[in-house]
Amino acid sequence: QQQVKQSPQSLIVQKGGIPIINCAYENTAFDYFPWYQQFPGKGPALLIAIRPDVSEKKEGRFTISFNKSAKQFSLHIMDSQPGDSATYFCAASMAGNQFYFGTGTSLTVIP
Amino acid sequence: GAVVSQHPSWVICKSGTSVKIECRSLDFQATTMFWYRQFPKQSLMLMATSNEGSKATYEQGVEKDKFLINHASLTLSTLTVTSAHPEDSSFYICSARDWEWGEQFFGPGTRLTVL
Repeated sequence: QQQVKQSPQSLIVQKGGIPIINCAYENTAFDYFPWYQQFPGKGPALLIAIRPDVSEKKEGRFTISFNKSAKQFSLHIMDSQPGDSATYFCAASMAGNQFYFGTGTSLTVIP
Repeated sequence: GAVVSQHPSWVICKSGTSVKIECRSLDFQATTMFWYRQFPKQSLMLMATSNEGSKATYEQGVEKDKFLINHASLTLSTLTVTSAHPEDSSFYICSARDWEWGEQFFGPGTRLTVL
């Protein structure tokens, strides 16, 4: 059973566009929702994370929107650049335990 | 930010040999480390959770006698793939959980190729 569902599987945007990646979860006990960026042949790198007591968090060009009632959260990348082309994973965990990862979104930003 | 290293970054071995992969948290103490396996264009699959000083907890379907995990200190965990076979070829990634904040930081991964 997939604990965290992620969409879309792949995404292509023009430079400067705002790609949006969505994740949904079922377990209301989850209390930590990070997003990771992974380049080919590299380990995932933590981009930004949010806890359920806030509805939005911004760090640079990356924004997480969190909807607790809908059990959904999303990643927005402002002014996307070709260097943002990577695979993005959302995740969820509770009490610092096991992370449940989404299936990943392959983002391509066209110059 | 917190740094997790893995060694080696890539390894090629013959079928039947054993391979050890090290995972170190460089600037923080990690009471818990995780080992993942990732196939091309797929998500991370949790193999086992490793707690310092105790036996690792393996996910269903992961052979604990084949994938030996040792977490001897707060900064080091090792994964040994015993009697490796070509089907064990994969990208292995560790992560370490910062005990104070609960965040997970990933290592750069180890590419294992078994001939």
